[in-house]
Amino acid sequence: GENVEQHPSTLSVQEGDSAVIKCTYSDSASNYFPWYKQELGKRPQLIIDIRSNVGEKKDQRIAVTLNKTAKHFSLHITETQPEDSAVYFCAAILTGGGNKLTFGTGTQLKVEL
Amino acid sequence: GAVVSQHPSRVICKSGTSVKIECRSLDFQATTMFWYRQFPKQSLMLMATSNEGSKATYEQGVEKDKFLINHASLTLSTLTVTSAHPEDSSFYICSARKEASGDTQYFGPGTRLTVL
Repeated sequence: GENVEQHPSTLSVQEGDSAVIKCTYSDSASNYFPWYKQELGKRPQLIIDIRSNVGEKKDQRIAVTLNKTAKHFSLHITETQPEDSAVYFCAAILTGGGNKLTFGTGTQLKVEL
Repeated sequence: GAVVSQHPSRVICKSGTSVKIECRSLDFQATTMFWYRQFPKQSLMLMATSNEGSKATYEQGVEKDKFLINHASLTLSTLTVTSAHPEDSSFYICSARKEASGDTQYFGPGTRLTVL
């Protein structure tokens, strides 16, 4: 089955700085990679996703890059704000294979004033 | 939109009792829903895939007789934790796959289960 590793587990940045979270996956057939933001006690919220036929996708301050050869993908948040503080999870899915999401272990991001 | 609701949001029960959690897709139909469990400061772990009109598919290590799943309609899946014990205390989250949006899963708000 799929295995997703995520680093770092915690990340502190100053407001306005950039934050980068990295994930690697094991199943080369995986073809959809969403990123979720989860605040304490709340549901995971999809913030951006990328498919395997694309190398990069950007949505305002958030971007995701995918390297299929190396089987890793990264989340980039620029101009961080205190409200970006949350736990971020990457995930990988093999569409057509039951569409089961395999989550990374999560990154606790803290944006300090 | 794609809204998923869960009920109840919190439940406290005595050891040995059963608890039913409902997951509803409010504005779309979902032939597939998923049930996750999340312990404090940990990631989401898939428990089972709920398929409308057929039996659920359970992940390895998840007892199907303890965690009963029913997906009787295209907008409702239920998870029943039978004979609950304190170690079943956790945050249970469902998600629903909206076929029109491809592979995107939309999550419910979660249910905090505490077994005394």
